[in-house]
Amino acid sequence: SQKIEQNSEALNIQEGKTATLTCNYTNYSPAYLQWYRQDPGRGPVFLLLIRENEKEKRKERLKVTFDTTLKQSLFHITASQPADSATYLCALQAGTALIFGKGTTLSVSS
Amino acid sequence: SQTIHQWPATLVQPVGSPLSLECTVEGTSNPNLYWYRQAAGRGLQLLFYSVGIGQISSEVPQNLSASRPQDRQFILSSKKLLLSDSGFYLCAWSAEVYGYTFGSGTRLTVV
Repeated sequence: SQKIEQNSEALNIQEGKTATLTCNYTNYSPAYLQWYRQDPGRGPVFLLLIRENEKEKRKERLKVTFDTTLKQSLFHITASQPADSATYLCALQAGTALIFGKGTTLSVSS
Repeated sequence: SQTIHQWPATLVQPVGSPLSLECTVEGTSNPNLYWYRQAAGRGLQLLFYSVGIGQISSEVPQNLSASRPQDRQFILSSKKLLLSDSGFYLCAWSAEVYGYTFGSGTRLTVV
């Protein structure tokens, strides 16, 4: 069956460190993968999209990698700040709609 | 610019009562529209999606239904709510290959 797994439900790091979140998938061949941020009680907010022919994509302090051989995406936040604390979701296109992982909740302490 | 409106923000309904949640999009034409549900401690579950007026695809069999009476309007309904229908309901839109834009969500509690 198709699965999207974000291997850590929670990740705690100190301010200034780099946070690395992992997304693994099985039985998919996605043309692209997306990452979202969700704050409590709010809808997810789109952060980055990376296509299958792109190995890496950056946006300010965010970096996403996409390895279609390993079926894995890594999401990095450099120089993390307490304001980065949130749940981060990865998502794959399955047919016409996105299928989401359960998310990793990141807590950045000062 | 494109905006998405979803209401109400919170709703408490008794078991067996009907449900109607509405979502409208502004600033775009012929968007793809989606309804997701997020239960406590669980991920986002796709319920319905629509690629055009009157075109609805259901991902999960349940007592919910969706309709798209106008290009930028998407409605989620139920004739009789169950306790298991409680959750955070999110509407979203997308255009081609790009990120989804989500509404602010409706917190539904069935009592």
